[in-house]
Amino acid sequence: SQQGEEDPQALSIQEGENATMNCSYKTSINNLQWYRQNSGRGLVHLILIRSNEREKHSGRLRVTLDTSKKSSSLLITASRAADTASYFCATGVISGNTPLVFGKGTRLSVIA
Amino acid sequence: DADVTQTPRNRITKTGKRIMLECSQTKGHDRMYWYRQDPGLGLRLIYYSFDVKDINKGEISDGYSVSRQAQAKFSLSLESAIPNQTALYFCATSPTLGAGANVLTFGAGSRLTVL
Repeated sequence: SQQGEEDPQALSIQEGENATMNCSYKTSINNLQWYRQNSGRGLVHLILIRSNEREKHSGRLRVTLDTSKKSSSLLITASRAADTASYFCATGVISGNTPLVFGKGTRLSVIA
Repeated sequence: DADVTQTPRNRITKTGKRIMLECSQTKGHDRMYWYRQDPGLGLRLIYYSFDVKDINKGEISDGYSVSRQAQAKFSLSLESAIPNQTALYFCATSPTLGAGANVLTFGAGSRLTVL
């Protein structure tokens, strides 16, 4: 069963706008990761945030984590057409020996 | 060359046939995984292996089997394929320790169609 649940399922924005995707999860985690998937291709790791971190940045990406609400958000600033992809959150649980569990993803379309 | 290579990339087969999807990696990672992706359902874990002698069932292992032939190779078999196994299959790897522990590197995927 999915641990993470992304919201919204689909998002369409204009180039240059910011895109925000949310992920909610159910159980205690060790870390939360975001991955990107271009259509029909393998997933690519974007960023990892640990349970003791609240915010992390990587280039135009900003990830926040609120463990009290069991939620995370991914913000892509100044979006580009090349950012069009599906974005998945994945949670790593406390034990460390349990594989990542992925959500169903958010489909982002950036219109030039 | 890709770090994680999956073969075949595309396969069309008939109900009842035995199919093997192969995965090899040059990352030197101990951990390997097979996920299945269906439209609207995200990725679901089929099997995973934390080292050569370790095999574990995932969320949806029924109808599948795996073999970890070496640290670098992890194959997925469908003994008797059925149409609802039509999906995109991904192999992934991760290191056990270090800063990248638990971060997955994915192959390009194997698209399987069962008629």
